[in-house]
Amino acid sequence: AQSVTQPDIHITVSEGASLELRCNYSYGATPYLFWYVQSPGQGLQLLLKYFSGDTLVQGIKGFEAEFKRSQSSFNLRKPSVHWSDAAEYFCAVASFNAGNMLTFGGGTRLMVKP
Amino acid sequence: EAQVTQNPRYLITVTGKKLTVTCSQNMNHEYMSWYRQDPGLGLRQIYYSMNVEVTDKGDVPEGYKVSRKEKRNFPLILESPSPNQTSLYFCASSFGQAANSPLHFGNGTRLTVT
Repeated sequence: AQSVTQPDIHITVSEGASLELRCNYSYGATPYLFWYVQSPGQGLQLLLKYFSGDTLVQGIKGFEAEFKRSQSSFNLRKPSVHWSDAAEYFCAVASFNAGNMLTFGGGTRLMVKP
Repeated sequence: EAQVTQNPRYLITVTGKKLTVTCSQNMNHEYMSWYRQDPGLGLRQIYYSMNVEVTDKGDVPEGYKVSRKEKRNFPLILESPSPNQTSLYFCASSFGQAANSPLHFGNGTRLTVT
């Protein structure tokens, strides 16, 4: 069965600093990988996705993520964090063979210090 | 405006009292899903539907029912709620399967069962 692990439950960074959120997945075939962001009181919004091709994918709000098959990882990065990036971030993997099954990690809550 | 609408946003009920959380989407999406979000566990899929009259179990279906009589609506039914169903619930829809079509989420329903 597929699974996703986000090792960091909370991360605090200073505004303007760089950010990397870790995501490791377990899946038997080529994964379809996603990062979603959840602002307080809101539903989830898609940041970026990886299906195939270039392993470095660009998303909205200046985020990017790199797929590393050898490490089973799909880490999210941003070179300079803004206070408005404070939110909870979820990594997810989808199985093409399991209908609409999307498996989420436990989430990483990002706090931004002024 | 394209959106997924859930109602109510907040619900407090007592054990055993049947309730329904409604979900409606205006994007003509075929796929709809229900998730529950619990701290540290991320989002877990309860049920999903690939089309009208087609529903299937997700990871945590016990204690829940769904129906898909119309394309736009996908209500979640708790016939006899219990305290372990206290959670934040999200409805989501997508044009295609989750593997290749991003999910659009509602703003959530916070349910408390006493």
